[in-house]
Parts: sequence; structure tokens; C-alpha cells
Amino acid sequence: AQKITQTQPGMFVQEKEAVTLDCTYDTSDPSYGLFWYKQPSSGEMIFLIYQGSYDQQNATEGRYSLNFQKARKSANLVISASQLGDSAMYFCAMREGSGYSTLTFGKGTMLLVSP
Amino acid sequence: KAGVTQTPRYLIKTRGQQVTLSCSPISGHRSVSWYQQTPGQGLQFLFEYFSETQRNKGNFPGRFSGRQFSNSRSEMNVSTLELGDSALYLCASSVNRGGTGELFFGEGSRLTVL
Repeated sequence: AQKITQTQPGMFVQEKEAVTLDCTYDTSDPSYGLFWYKQPSSGEMIFLIYQGSYDQQNATEGRYSLNFQKARKSANLVISASQLGDSAMYFCAMREGSGYSTLTFGKGTMLLVSP
Repeated sequence: KAGVTQTPRYLIKTRGQQVTLSCSPISGHRSVSWYQQTPGQGLQFLFEYFSETQRNKGNFPGRFSGRQFSNSRSEMNVSTLELGDSALYLCASSVNRGGTGELFFGEGSRLTVL
């Protein structure tokens, strides 16, 4: 079974609108972390936001927020006020336990922001 | 503060050759991990090093190997290259193993095998 599922291969949004990118995960480990990364065409993975399994509040970082629903095992990324520069691939990733730096990635969602 | 640096950025090899990729982590970061990214398989974990020791390894054949030096710089080697090894190889560094620290990625080394 896939550990990270991103069901949206591609998303379109107009500039200044908000967009939600979906991510569901599967783990039996009570301690885990969820990450979102952005990958522009240059190839570099850019860290956006992190949510720990024991965090009580949803993470926020500027225009990015993570809608963490633990019981549903979902960790959706919300981008408010989209900008043209947000066009990129977005990956959801999970680290299980606390002993390693290994991330399991989803297949990604391509976001295109139009003027 | 300099980011993660990977060299070379692009390279072309032929089947059967070997290749060595280099990664310099962010200063002070002791954990280095490698990922392979292909259109078909997505991002897959290769291995992770911490203080010169391999702490975790992904499901890749023995042709893929790596090492970490005392200055935390890391190299990965792929021997007897196959067409399927064509990929973007990403290196990432972090301050600690695990914890809540995020991974910082380099821009990758894009390998094409002909």
C-alpha cells in the first residue's frame, strides 16, 4: 500500500485565489512528521511546511498552511493568494519515527497558476 | 549560508560505465541522504549517512553505493550503469538524524545513460 497518496496529478488556479493540494498518508507509527516540498523546474526541492503527529495546531508558514486531520490521515496543503511563482510540482512527504531522516514521498501534484 | 551543493549538475554516460556524484551539505549538517527521482517511480530513498556511517538504505541494488567523509561531504557511486539509472539524483542534508528538522535539498545531478 502506498504510504503517501496525492490524488491530484495537476491543479489549475487563478492568481490571487486559494488552492488546496490533497495528501493522505498511511502509517501505524504514532510518531511521524509530514512535510510539503515545492519543486520548480530547476529541480531543487524547497521546504514549505512541517506538521508533527503530536502537534495540536495546524502548521502555518506565511501563505502556506497545513490542514491536518489526524483521524482521517490527511495533511492537505493550502496556499492562499496564489502567485505566478507558485507554479511548480508539490510533494507531500512523511517521516516515520524519529530515528532517521528518511522521507517517503507522494507522486506529486503539478500546480499551474494563471494570470 | 551556502546551501547544499551537488556536482556535477548534468552528466551523460553510456551503459556499463560508472559514475560518482558529489554532495556538500550545509555547514554544520551531519546527516546526508540521497534520493533518486524518475518520472515513473517518483522520488525514492537511496541511503542516509550520519557521522560517516550509513544508517539507512533504500531498496536499490548493490550497484548503488555511497559514503560520507569526516567533513560530512558525501559521494554516491553507481557502477555498471543501466538505461533505467537515468534520473535526477537529489542530495539532502539536515542538522540531526530524525527529529523535527526538515531536509534541505540541493538542485540535483541529472544523469542520462545512453
